[in-house]
Amino acid sequence: DAGITQSPRHKVTETGTPVTLRCHQTENHRYMYWYRQDPGHGLRLIHYSYGVKDTDKGEVSDGYSVSRSKTEDFLLTLESATSSQTSVYFCAISPGRSSNTEAFFGQGTRLTVV
Amino acid sequence: GQNIDQPTEMTATEGAIVQINCTYQTSGFNGLFWYQQHAGEAPTFLSYNVLDGLEEKGRFSSFLSRSKGYSYLLLKELQMKDSASYLCAVPNTGFQKLVFGTGTRLLVSP
Repeated sequence: DAGITQSPRHKVTETGTPVTLRCHQTENHRYMYWYRQDPGHGLRLIHYSYGVKDTDKGEVSDGYSVSRSKTEDFLLTLESATSSQTSVYFCAISPGRSSNTEAFFGQGTRLTVV
Repeated sequence: GQNIDQPTEMTATEGAIVQINCTYQTSGFNGLFWYQQHAGEAPTFLSYNVLDGLEEKGRFSSFLSRSKGYSYLLLKELQMKDSASYLCAVPNTGFQKLVFGTGTRLLVSP
């Protein structure tokens, strides 16, 4: 199994509070991604990174920011959590840029905003 | 952009064969992935097709027709452990940014 760990695994937070989710990998893969998964929508890309300090937005980036100061860590921050951000968040990593390289997913973080 | 369609749910019996379809529209085609996701767990890679035809991998096979924008996942000799969601995904332009369908939940009954 790819060495990818998400923390925390579960979190309940109040509306308006900041929240940071962490993704840690031990595979030295260059590419890292944050997805959210919601019923009826499937997995949707929030942000991704193609190297240290190199990040870009995905299709549902509003209300989220990311940082990657080290190859192994990719942080997702909800600046001011809202109930619409209640979701399961998955981090993924992949070794290469080419389209045929599979992505490996972390176990997910279940976030509830009350 | 990309658009991917899959059936929401399917049911099948243990030992049977099931075909899960996926249709897609993309501005540029860079292959198609199938992932399996058990409830409460992470998606795991099943297959990747970039050329037309059938690729077999044990009990699972995946088919692609680029001209029709169509793929299917074929599961043979179904087992109870095959009850899961099956996600069809295509890479967006560059950096292997996967765009996923909503997934097909397969329920296998005894």
